[in-house]
Amino acid sequence: GAVVSQHPSWVICKSGTSVKIECRSLDFQATTMFWYRQFPKQSLMLMATSNEGSKATYEQGVEKDKFLINHASLTLSTLTVTSAHPEDSSFYICSARAGGDYNEQFFGPGTRLTVL
Amino acid sequence: GQNIDQPTEMTATEGAIVQINCTYQTSGFNGLFWYQQHAGEAPTFLSYNVLDGLEEKGRFSSFLSRSKGYSYLLLKELQMKDSASYLCAVVDSNYQLIWGAGTKLIIKP
Repeated sequence: GAVVSQHPSWVICKSGTSVKIECRSLDFQATTMFWYRQFPKQSLMLMATSNEGSKATYEQGVEKDKFLINHASLTLSTLTVTSAHPEDSSFYICSARAGGDYNEQFFGPGTRLTVL
Repeated sequence: GQNIDQPTEMTATEGAIVQINCTYQTSGFNGLFWYQQHAGEAPTFLSYNVLDGLEEKGRFSSFLSRSKGYSYLLLKELQMKDSASYLCAVVDSNYQLIWGAGTKLIIKP
């Protein structure tokens, strides 16, 4: 099956710093990538949808200036959490989809962010 | 609005069978996924149904009734490693995934 990687797997940072998370599709070209956030014991919450070469579409309530998404190529999307605060501590998961019609979303392993 | 309902938690015994239900009300329907998620890990794909009926895959089966807005995931011969959360997700008319809150399945010896 298709493989999606995320880096880093976990990160601890100080409040006020910025953190960049990378999501890569390793063996296929992902026209669309999704960024999710998951708090403990809760389901996945879609943050934004990004299409290669265009601006990301953010879900209601997600600050686009705080969560910067760049989808510069068909195999790489990045999420930057700017000026992170403790309430941003969460499990961030990306997924990638290939093709125009709906296909299965392939998930990355997730990045656990802890902001001190 | 769009809504996916599934039980919050279920408990079953090792070796037994368990059925996890999912009901949905969405704007359009383009398929339903079941994912398994172990604590601290990303979801992994289990099944995809777009037509009515039962799809069997080893110990896991998934059923769909579009007219009733209903699906279930059936797990047979339960093993301890099946303890996880099971997420139901529906593809709506805009080809977006609408996620349920997940069902935490606890397997007891």
